[in-house]
Amino acid sequence: DAGVIQSPRHEVTEMGQEVTLRCKPISGHNSLFWYRQTMMRGLELLIYFNNNVPIDDSGMPEDRFSAKMPNASFSTLKIQPSEPRDSAVYFCASSLGTGNSNQPQHFGDGTRLSIL
Amino acid sequence: AQKVTQAQTEISVVEKEDVTLDCVYETRDTTYYLFWYKQPPSGELVFLIRRNSFDEQNEISGRYSWNFQKSTSSFNFTITASQVVDSAVYFCAFKAAGNKLTFGGGTRVLVKP
Repeated sequence: DAGVIQSPRHEVTEMGQEVTLRCKPISGHNSLFWYRQTMMRGLELLIYFNNNVPIDDSGMPEDRFSAKMPNASFSTLKIQPSEPRDSAVYFCASSLGTGNSNQPQHFGDGTRLSIL
Repeated sequence: AQKVTQAQTEISVVEKEDVTLDCVYETRDTTYYLFWYKQPPSGELVFLIRRNSFDEQNEISGRYSWNFQKSTSSFNFTITASQVVDSAVYFCAFKAAGNKLTFGGGTRVLVKP
């Protein structure tokens, strides 16, 4: 079975440019999560969706970040305009169940983003 | 708010030695779930094991075993007879009500041949 698929795997762009990260969750999973990983802050949850609806976006750093989930099989995380401090590895994860569930989150391979 | 602490930042062992990773969590919730994830040098995050707060039975799965002690809020993870391929960063994670995972800072394990 296919896991969580993220694209691109690597992105290098200049400051000020718009960046769009994409994620396809595991089929049948109804929760989707976006994380950011940096050396300084570790793994941080940015936002998560249940049944395509954003539930908690308290981790989104600022208005430059936005996320959408137009359907059950696709989500995007957009940064506009990008800044060097946004450089990190961005992970998408999905899981079965919503709310109080012991289902593990399964992660994609991540997108390594470098903003010059 | 929940907090997960992995006090060991790095552990270095020689192949075939056992490795135990410590994880301590803080919560006021009575129902919660604990997980261990592995992040090898290639960067992906791989789910390893999970435990429910109401099930303190410790288990063994292959070379992995875990020791969950609710009284001390600890969820330790052991790799028996370590191999070079076990070299990775290991994350302990906690989830209570809702769907948010809280991760510890990770422990880097280096297994030398």
